[in-house]
Amino acid sequence: GQNIDQPTEMTATEGAIVQINCTYQTSGFNGLFWYQQHAGEAPTFLSYNVLDGLEEKGRFSSFLSRSKGYSYLLLKELQMKDSASYLCALNTGGFKTIFGAGTRLFVKA
Amino acid sequence: EAQVTQNPRYLITVTGKKLTVTCSQNMNHEYMSWYRQDPGLGLRQIYYSMNVEVTDKGDVPEGYKVSRKEKRNFPLILESPSPNQTSLYFCASSLGGARSPLHFGNGTRLTVT
Repeated sequence: GQNIDQPTEMTATEGAIVQINCTYQTSGFNGLFWYQQHAGEAPTFLSYNVLDGLEEKGRFSSFLSRSKGYSYLLLKELQMKDSASYLCALNTGGFKTIFGAGTRLFVKA
Repeated sequence: EAQVTQNPRYLITVTGKKLTVTCSQNMNHEYMSWYRQDPGLGLRQIYYSMNVEVTDKGDVPEGYKVSRKEKRNFPLILESPSPNQTSLYFCASSLGGARSPLHFGNGTRLTVT
């Protein structure tokens, strides 16, 4: 089967760094994606990893280790507007994408 | 502006009354998909389409139908809605492939009483 696990909620302070973890069990996948979703809005794409390692995009970075079944999203210099849900997703091939339940991040002043 | 457009944004209906949620994209994407989002369960795929006239079931297809007669449109049909289909629905499209992110519509909040 396929399963994606993320922490349900996290809280961090404005200006700090936060790491949101994602672990998965799957027989194989093409790429791992991270999306941001503000309450009541559509998810928006943040980053993806196809190969192992770190991908950096401004304040956001994402890491993948296929051998460990593990990914994380790193958010630096946190801002209040970063309060949102962060969704880990796997493109499993055949045009199928499965999502984790998401991690709600609260950024406090 | 490149976008995925869903309508309506909000819909309240009664059990058994057929409804259609429309989805259209202007990015010439081959791949389109429907998801439902429920608290604690995340986004679950209902149906997807790889191209015109090519559709396949996702993880939760029961009670839903789709069609892909044109590349830009991918409507979701509930022939006989039931209260357990009350949910937030998202349409998405992409170029397809490992590196292609999904572009989501703004969502349709459906309530079936």
